[in-house]
Amino acid sequence: AQTVTQSQPEMSVQEAETVTLSCTYDTSENNYYLFWYKQPPSRQMILVIRQEAYKQQNATENRFSVNFQKAAKSFSLKISDSQLGDTAMYFCAFMKQGGGSNYKLTFGKGTLLTVNP
Amino acid sequence: DAGVIQSPRHEVTEMGQEVTLRCKPISGHNSLFWYRQTMMRGLELLIYFNNNVPIDDSGMPEDRFSAKMPNASFSTLKIQPSEPRDSAVYFCASSPGYSGNTIYFGEGSWLTVV
Repeated sequence: AQTVTQSQPEMSVQEAETVTLSCTYDTSENNYYLFWYKQPPSRQMILVIRQEAYKQQNATENRFSVNFQKAAKSFSLKISDSQLGDTAMYFCAFMKQGGGSNYKLTFGKGTLLTVNP
Repeated sequence: DAGVIQSPRHEVTEMGQEVTLRCKPISGHNSLFWYRQTMMRGLELLIYFNNNVPIDDSGMPEDRFSAKMPNASFSTLKIQPSEPRDSAVYFCASSPGYSGNTIYFGEGSWLTVV
């Protein structure tokens, strides 16, 4: 079974600074997908960024980027120019390739990020 | 465009009562998921439908839980009888595909069983 580990239960950063959230995963699969979701106090789960394992290029979405190290099974999220609205719980998630019972997200425990003014 | 719509947003019920949570997936999405979030267990998949057919229900805790998807635009998750340990946030999510597509979540239904 796949496992996703987020080793930082809580982090804080000053507004406008950069912060990196860590995620590691364990799998024997070669093809898979990785995601970062954000859960603000409203509790809704919002997709931040997604990465296909077969792509060597790291995904970016505006101020959000990832450092995907396939051999190390590491998938960290970098938030640049942090904003107060980035305060949220961040979840790293893994999805196997393929349908059927593979088509589901396995989540880490989350990292609570607080952006301070 | 409307996202995944869940109701109720909050429910408080007494132990032993039946609880029904409802979900309307994003139009055109053919995969639907029910997830549960608790402090102890985090986010866990309960059941997954594709084209209205249950594909994986291995996460359904026990017989007290049941889920249905009678058509492409509606699903229910029922708990009968409810217990205090069922208190959690229940998320419905949908996706346009079958493999690798992004899964979009609703706002969740916060259930408290007293």
